[in-house]
Amino acid sequence: KAGVTQTPRYLIKTRGQQVTLSCSPISGHRSVSWYQQTPGQGLQFLFEYFSETQRNKGNFPGRFSGRQFSNSRSEMNVSTLELGDSALYLCASSLGPGGMGNEQFFGPGTRLTVL
Amino acid sequence: AQSVTQLGSHVSVSEGALVLLRCNYSSSVPPYLFWYVQYPNQGLQLLLKYTSAATLVKGINGFEAEFKKSETSFHLTKPSAHMSDAAEYFCAVRGTGNQFYFGTGTSLTVIP
Repeated sequence: KAGVTQTPRYLIKTRGQQVTLSCSPISGHRSVSWYQQTPGQGLQFLFEYFSETQRNKGNFPGRFSGRQFSNSRSEMNVSTLELGDSALYLCASSLGPGGMGNEQFFGPGTRLTVL
Repeated sequence: AQSVTQLGSHVSVSEGALVLLRCNYSSSVPPYLFWYVQYPNQGLQLLLKYTSAATLVKGINGFEAEFKKSETSFHLTKPSAHMSDAAEYFCAVRGTGNQFYFGTGTSLTVIP
């Protein structure tokens, strides 16, 4: 079974631009979560989608948004990029909220650099 | 509310020595606890998970963790460190609604 895939793996943007990151979950997984990882802040939860609906949202500004498609693939978008948005963005998939012991499976991440 | 605290952001051990990475949790419901490992420029990989079936949980690469309710702890151990164990380790608790709460991570250095 293929793992979680994220595209692109690396991205360089300039301040003010916008960016879209993509995540394809493991086949059969319906829940996708996004995290921002930086050296200073660690792993910070962005949002979670399940069956095309946002179920949870972290404490990030409205510039960060996401969506999930009917095939469970998810995208996140960051508008008006700031230098502080430089980070590793991780996507994780899981079966869903039904089984509490279900773990999250992580993709390799997208390294975003904002210049 | 759920949260985890990892004590020690950096841990160094000699090759062959015991590895002990500490994690304490806070949970208002029976916790589901996880340890993940992250190698440089990679995503997180599950080491092991606790789902109330057994208090001593064995994971991959020789790691294990013991759930102690009285101490609200879920420390990760390995009897003998290997150079390949050098990585970042994250403890996590799964809360209601499928949201995971991660600790700040512990960077493990293995000294040859």
